[in-house]
Amino acid sequence: GIQVEQSPPDLILQEGANSTLRCNFSDSVNNLQWFHQNPWGQLINLFYIPSGTKQNGRLSATTVATERYSLLYISSSQTTDSGVYFCAVELINNDMRFGAGTRLTVKP
Amino acid sequence: ETGVTQTPRHLVMGMTNKKSLKCEQHLGHNAMYWYKQSAKKPLELMFVYNFKEQTENNSVPSRFSPECPNSSHLFLHLHTLQPEDSALYLCASSPTAGDRFYEQYFGPGTRLTVT
Repeated sequence: GIQVEQSPPDLILQEGANSTLRCNFSDSVNNLQWFHQNPWGQLINLFYIPSGTKQNGRLSATTVATERYSLLYISSSQTTDSGVYFCAVELINNDMRFGAGTRLTVKP
Repeated sequence: ETGVTQTPRHLVMGMTNKKSLKCEQHLGHNAMYWYKQSAKKPLELMFVYNFKEQTENNSVPSRFSPECPNSSHLFLHLHTLQPEDSALYLCASSPTAGDRFYEQYFGPGTRLTVT
């Protein structure tokens, strides 16, 4: 089946630093989404991004579907950015696969 | 109440118990989902309901039994669970299941421990 790999698995930043998270997928997909799960378990949509680039404040995402990867950029990180970032792909048969996540810790 | 709510937030049950998880959405959505998040595996989609009809069951054991009486409520009935079923169970909703990635909102989850 399709593989969804996220890197790095863990990331520690100082507040104010920038970072790039990566999601690779091994097959063609219909859609891709980035989520943030805060330390209390709440999962929140960040970007619905099957292709192209989107920006929302300090976050932006780029998906290059032909090369089977997506990137999530976090600029000027804040402690509230801490948590786990997941990418998820929707397969051709509408099934969904999540990556294992990148655990981000932003230190003050 | 707004968004997606789940009750209880925490549940401890023995392997012979029967319990139910409840999810309610106040967003006017027509699709609802159950996900399982265990410590050592990626998030897994368990069930999908669209307009109260179950459209997907992703090889979930029969000890998990979903129920969707209307588009706003979703239940997960649990019986004779195993310790490996301990996990965070997340409910989500979206306008429709056909475009599920678009505007999918999650509840806070129920942390289930099976002893």
